[in-house]
Amino acid sequence: AQSVTQPDIHITVSEGASLELRCNYSYGATPYLFWYVQSPGQGLQLLLKYFSGDTLVQGIKGFEAEFKRSQSSFNLRKPSVHWSDAAEYFCAVGGGGGNKLTFGTGTQLKVEL
Amino acid sequence: GAVVSQHPSWVICKSGTSVKIECRSLDFQATTMFWYRQFPKQSLMLMATSNEGSKATYEQGVEKDKFLINHASLTLSTLTVTSAHPEDSSFYICSARSGTGVVDEQFFGPGTRLTVL
Repeated sequence: AQSVTQPDIHITVSEGASLELRCNYSYGATPYLFWYVQSPGQGLQLLLKYFSGDTLVQGIKGFEAEFKRSQSSFNLRKPSVHWSDAAEYFCAVGGGGGNKLTFGTGTQLKVEL
Repeated sequence: GAVVSQHPSWVICKSGTSVKIECRSLDFQATTMFWYRQFPKQSLMLMATSNEGSKATYEQGVEKDKFLINHASLTLSTLTVTSAHPEDSSFYICSARSGTGVVDEQFFGPGTRLTVL
């Protein structure tokens, strides 16, 4: 069965500082990996996704993620965080019967001004 | 990106009553819609997958007679929580995609907060 672990429940960073959110997955084959952001009152928004090819993936809002098969990881990074990045971030792995998504428990990001 | 709406955004009901939640894809045809449940500080748990015109496929542990899903058109799916009880209180989220593969992006609605008294 596929699963996703996000070890950090809460992370606080200062505006302008760099950010890395961790994600580890378990999946029997080549995974399809996603990062979503959830802001209050809004639906989940796709930041980026990895299916194959270049292991460094660029997304929207200046985010990027690197797929590391040897570590079963897909960590999300941003060089300089903005106050508007404060939100809940979810990592997800796709596949399996019905092409479903399995989500991690999320990381709540707080940005200090 | 494509837009998915949910109605209502929040609802409070008495125990024993039924509640219907609508999920609409506003600018695309959704061949597949998903219903998730999200508990506070927890992940999204997939409840069921529905394809237009066919019966929904429920995840293990989800009572299909309690959570009725109808996907009658390519732009509308409904989730009815029947005989709701306080333990059904949760945040329900739908998503929709136009393709059938995991590579096709799911677009998420803003969610519906259900409180059962």
